[in-house]
Amino acid sequence: AQSVTQPDIHITVSEGASLELRCNYSYGATPYLFWYVQSPGQGLQLLLKYFSGDTLVQGIKGFEAEFKRSQSSFNLRKPSVHWSDAAEYFCAVAALDDYKLSFGAGTTVTVRA
Amino acid sequence: SQTIHQWPATLVQPVGSPLSLECTVEGTSNPNLYWYRQAAGRGLQLLFYSVGIGQISSEVPQNLSASRPQDRQFILSSKKLLLSDSGFYLCAWSGRRGEQFFGPGTRLTVL
Repeated sequence: AQSVTQPDIHITVSEGASLELRCNYSYGATPYLFWYVQSPGQGLQLLLKYFSGDTLVQGIKGFEAEFKRSQSSFNLRKPSVHWSDAAEYFCAVAALDDYKLSFGAGTTVTVRA
Repeated sequence: SQTIHQWPATLVQPVGSPLSLECTVEGTSNPNLYWYRQAAGRGLQLLFYSVGIGQISSEVPQNLSASRPQDRQFILSSKKLLLSDSGFYLCAWSGRRGEQFFGPGTRLTVL
């Protein structure tokens, strides 16, 4: 079965600084990979997804993620964060033949002025 | 475009009372549907998923049950709520490649 690890529970970043959130997955083949964002009291919003092809994926809100097969990673990045990016971020993986997602424990991002 | 609705948005219920949370999806047919629970400060726990009307798979043993009476309707129920049932309940539907789209959630507090 697939699994996801998000090593950072909490990250604090200054507004305007760059952000990188780490995600490592465990799966025997190339999985489908996703990043979601959740604001307090809200549902999850899909930021971006990787299925195949170009390993650098662009998403909404200025986010991008890079799939690195050799490192089993799918790290999320944003060049310059805004105060509105403060939220919880979840990485998720799905097997090719299974529509169930496995989620990481999440990383909480705090943005300081 | 597709939309997903959940209601109620918030719910406060006494221990031992019944529960019914509803989720409906618009703009797609025969979606896979999911119920998750998110406890305070915790990640997402998949409770149930459904690939079609009347087809329910349970992921963890618990005090809850799910039903899918119509193609785009998914209901989460309990006959008697426990304190440990408190949490944030999220419904989701999945697209053709497994990406899931979430509803706004229901905050359940059991007192």
